[in-house]
Amino acid sequence: EVQLVESGGGLVKPGGSLRLSCAASGFTFSSYSMNWVRQAPGKGLEWVSSISSSSSYIYYADSVKGRFTISRDNAKNSLYLQMNSLRAEDTAVYYCARGLGRVSIDYWGQGTLVTVSS
Amino acid sequence: EIVLTQSPATLSLSPGERATLSCRASQSVSSYLAWYQQKPGQAPRLLIYDASNRATGIPARFSGSGSGTDFTLTISSLEPEDFAVYYCQQRSNWALITFGQGTRLEIK
Repeated sequence: EVQLVESGGGLVKPGGSLRLSCAASGFTFSSYSMNWVRQAPGKGLEWVSSISSSSSYIYYADSVKGRFTISRDNAKNSLYLQMNSLRAEDTAVYYCARGLGRVSIDYWGQGTLVTVSS
Repeated sequence: EIVLTQSPATLSLSPGERATLSCRASQSVSSYLAWYQQKPGQAPRLLIYDASNRATGIPARFSGSGSGTDFTLTISSLEPEDFAVYYCQQRSNWALITFGQGTRLEIK
């Protein structure tokens, strides 16, 4: 069974940093691209970042470019999101999600809440 | 940036009725489009990928169609568990994924 479990969310002050982790199991992690997608309270889905299976290709939404860094450790079956210079508008549930082919996301974690507030 | 516009914003129907949800892209995305269902407090679930392919375990009452700029998600006969929010998503450009704003399907 595919499982994605996020951790590392919490309350942080504006300008602060946080590192999210995602532990993957139930599939060959090193064969899949991975994504972070977020959802602000009561709002829709917003893609944050993607990383290819071997980390060769990395992409970011304009809203986080230069502040967030995605990475993965295939030996540990883990995905990460380093978030710096956090802003109030980064407040959201952050989902770790597995890529399916070019377009889709077929498995999602349950999410971890990040709250940026003073 | 490609913008996806979903309509209607809210759709009120009864169980057993047919639901038709629309997603329009601001420029062609070929068939690089997916549909998701999200229920309150839950993560999204993939329904349709590559515009018309049902994901694993998705009931046959869900179908997707379209290409280019106009796409449709059809639920042939609504079950009580189908009332949720539905999102379309595109990735015609590898470097950018965008979602529509969602359609809320509610019980009439």
